[in-house]
Amino acid sequence: EVQLVESGGGLVQPGRSLRLSCAASGFTFDDYAMHWVRQAPGKGLEWVSGISWNSGSIGYADSVKGRFTISRDNAKNSLYLQMNSLRAEDTALYYCAKGLGAAAATGDFDYWGQGTLVTVSS
Amino acid sequence: QSALTQPASVSGSPGQSITISCTGTSSDVGSYNLVSWYQQHPGKAPKLMIYEVSKRPSGVSNRFSGSKSGNTASLTISGLQAEDEADYYCCSYAGSSTLIFGGGTKLTVL
Repeated sequence: EVQLVESGGGLVQPGRSLRLSCAASGFTFDDYAMHWVRQAPGKGLEWVSGISWNSGSIGYADSVKGRFTISRDNAKNSLYLQMNSLRAEDTALYYCAKGLGAAAATGDFDYWGQGTLVTVSS
Repeated sequence: QSALTQPASVSGSPGQSITISCTGTSSDVGSYNLVSWYQQHPGKAPKLMIYEVSKRPSGVSNRFSGSKSGNTASLTISGLQAEDEADYYCCSYAGSSTLIFGGGTKLTVL
């Protein structure tokens, strides 16, 4: 059974940093692209970042480019999102999502975690 | 990166068909056959319903279908059922390893 378990969320002050993790199991992690998608309270989905199976292709939404860094450790079956210079508008539930294939360039997420809540507030 | 445009809400009666549109530009929807659709019930994670414009993942009912014409993709749900009531989001590849979602559509089954 595919499982994606996010962790690392919490309350953080504006300008500070946070690192999210996603532990994957139930599939061959290094065969698939992985993504982070967020959802602000009561709002729609927003793609944040994606990474191909071998980290060779990485993309970011304009809203986070230069502040967030996605990475993966295939040996640990884990996905990460380093979030720096956090802003109030980054407050959201952050989902880890598995791609259908190895490339990061497709928005077909067939499995999602339950999300980890990030709240940016002073 | 502006969100793809979806109607805020659509509604239909049980048994009817509805279509949700997703309008982008020639830089995203119009350029790639990489549009997917998601269903999200309140408090739940999204579920993939359609990928690559018209393909259905295993386990998704054939009442759900997708299509694309120009810069607009569409999701059609036929034989509407009460459990179809949810939020629906489209997503498209937008070039340079980036993706973009639509603003979401709330489907109400009357």
